[in-house]
Amino acid sequence: TQLLEQSPQFLSIQEGENLTVYCNSSSVFSSLQWYRQEPGEGPVLLVTVVTGGEVKKLKRLTFQFGDARKDSSLHITAAQPGDTGLYLCAGGVAANSGGSNYKLTFGKGTLLTVNP
Amino acid sequence: NAGVTQTPKFRVLKTGQSMTLLCAQDMNHEYMYWYRQDPGMGLRLIHYSVGEGTTAKGEVPDGYNVSRLKKQNFLLGLESAAPSQTSVYFCASSWALRAYEQYFGPGTRLTVT
Repeated sequence: TQLLEQSPQFLSIQEGENLTVYCNSSSVFSSLQWYRQEPGEGPVLLVTVVTGGEVKKLKRLTFQFGDARKDSSLHITAAQPGDTGLYLCAGGVAANSGGSNYKLTFGKGTLLTVNP
Repeated sequence: NAGVTQTPKFRVLKTGQSMTLLCAQDMNHEYMYWYRQDPGMGLRLIHYSVGEGTTAKGEVPDGYNVSRLKKQNFLLGLESAAPSQTSVYFCASSWALRAYEQYFGPGTRLTVT
């Protein structure tokens, strides 16, 4: 069973601060996704990384996939109240060589609160 | 373009009752999924489908059945609801070639008393 551990579980910061959340596993993943979920809503895909060492930027958000494709981080610069939400990472593995049996493993999430 | 929609938004059932949750997507995605989300447990896959007329078990399939008679719809059934099935249920869909990028519906909050 593949597990993804996210840390910290909870994070409360002031507007303007920087933060990093982590997603770690002992397993190798073909891809790593980050989602943000707001209360009462479904998760919304933020980014996908597929190459070891890959870095992607989305405005103030920077995502990195570890060289060994076992871990990832999300860094937010100058956090804003609108960044508040549950951040989920998900690792993907093709369950068979044909790729038709693709499985995602989700971490339990980091609940971020950005206070004005 | 509504994306992924789920019906109903909320539901309360008594133990032993049955119900069907409906998921619809208008993105012509081949793959569809049902997850449940519980505090401290994260998202867990119940069943999924890689095409019309096909279904497969996920991580926690017991007590649930699914059907995919049309490409755009994926139904989740509870034949005899139990309190342990109290949860928030999410449907998701994806393209076959990018199955790792899943698009989620808004969820159904189900309470079984």
